[in-house]
Amino acid sequence: DVKVTQSSRYLVKRTGEKVFLECVQDMDHENMFWYRQDPGLGLRLIYFSYDVKMKEKGDIPEGYSVSREKKERFSLILESASTNQTSMYLCASRAGGQPQHFGDGTRLSIL
Amino acid sequence: GNSVTQMEGPVTLSEEAFLTINCTYTATGYPSLFWYVQYPGEGLQLLLKATKADDKGSNKGFEATYRKETTSFHLEKGSVQVSDSAVYFCGSEKLVFGKGTKLTVNP
Repeated sequence: DVKVTQSSRYLVKRTGEKVFLECVQDMDHENMFWYRQDPGLGLRLIYFSYDVKMKEKGDIPEGYSVSREKKERFSLILESASTNQTSMYLCASRAGGQPQHFGDGTRLSIL
Repeated sequence: GNSVTQMEGPVTLSEEAFLTINCTYTATGYPSLFWYVQYPGEGLQLLLKATKADDKGSNKGFEATYRKETTSFHLEKGSVQVSDSAVYFCGSEKLVFGKGTKLTVNP
């Protein structure tokens, strides 16, 4: 079974901090994704990556960046956290056009 | 463009009731379609999929048929259980999802 592991289930940070959310998958998938999930808005794609060192903007990339130095790891970075980035963050991976496999999410609160 | 629209909830049913959650899509071509389920405190899990028109995906008593003529992929279950209470998302391989439908099943 594919396992997608997000480093933290809950995280509390302060406005202006640089925040790192880590995600690791164990199935050698080429494609990895970061979403945020908010009530009434569903899942919105922030960034995705089709290969090591490659990244593509999703629908809402502003205020975020990503890093993919190794195939199994995809990091989401909040350069200067703001309160409107309080959300549930979900990482996913997949092979080709197959269904995505999701981590359990990180609930991030920015105070 | 590509998009998915699903019925917004919340939906509340009694145990053993029939469930339908509507999902329609717009897409270039015929992408694979999926239903995911999210239990409280967890990420999304694949519930079922259909890879081409007229395909029927099924799992755990849930079914959905990929209908090209109506551009729909409605989720159905004949008799829901309390343990089916969760949020359900319709999605496509084009990285688009519906907004989710929260289902609560009461005993």
